[in-house]
Amino acid sequence: DTEVTQTPKHLVMGMTNKKSLKCEQHMGHRAMYWYKQKAKKPPELMFVYSYEKLSINESVPSRFSPECPNSSLLNLHLHALQPEDSALYLCASSPGGRDEAFFGQGTRLTVV
Amino acid sequence: GENVEQHPSTLSVQEGDSAVIKCTYSDSASNYFPWYKQELGKRPQLIIDIRSNVGEKKDQRIAVTLNKTAKHFSLHITETQPEDSAVYFCAASMGAAGNKLTFGGGTRVLVKP
Repeated sequence: DTEVTQTPKHLVMGMTNKKSLKCEQHMGHRAMYWYKQKAKKPPELMFVYSYEKLSINESVPSRFSPECPNSSLLNLHLHALQPEDSALYLCASSPGGRDEAFFGQGTRLTVV
Repeated sequence: GENVEQHPSTLSVQEGDSAVIKCTYSDSASNYFPWYKQELGKRPQLIIDIRSNVGEKKDQRIAVTLNKTAKHFSLHITETQPEDSAVYFCAASMGAAGNKLTFGGGTRVLVKP
């Protein structure tokens, strides 16, 4: 398996809902990332997990809560989001000791 | 922190012509410079990258050059084809897994048949 897989592909949620995004890779990569991408903009880093530990949090609001249950899985828990949080959420992973980042196909999130 | 500027923001070329996209970075500690291609509604895909110990790298029709002294790097696409139409992003990081990739603003490339 040479892919980063994200589920769901699309998600519509209300501002009072709780939902989770899931990311999975079976390439043995030891770093995993969450990025947010608004239309016509570059990806913006949110969180980095390195060897299953949170190593970078780019001052992301607490309504976004990451979790790395094991080396293959990365979750992003969402709670009380705002309409401006609507975006494409991309997961990526990198091999240990190397820096190439490979992206999943993303979850397109709409907050209503 | 690192800041990456990318130019032009849009680029229209005739099929078969060359396309060049330029990026500058601010942090001299950055040592890894990937380029991503993102087609509409799809994921960013790594197309080529270069590390600071190399001045040029080529892969078929695409090449990247790096000038560490001037802190700029460029993507060159030769013999462009309609399937090269996409948004291209440059990025910079300090290397090693788990480091932050800082992206440029993107270049929308349109190859006209």
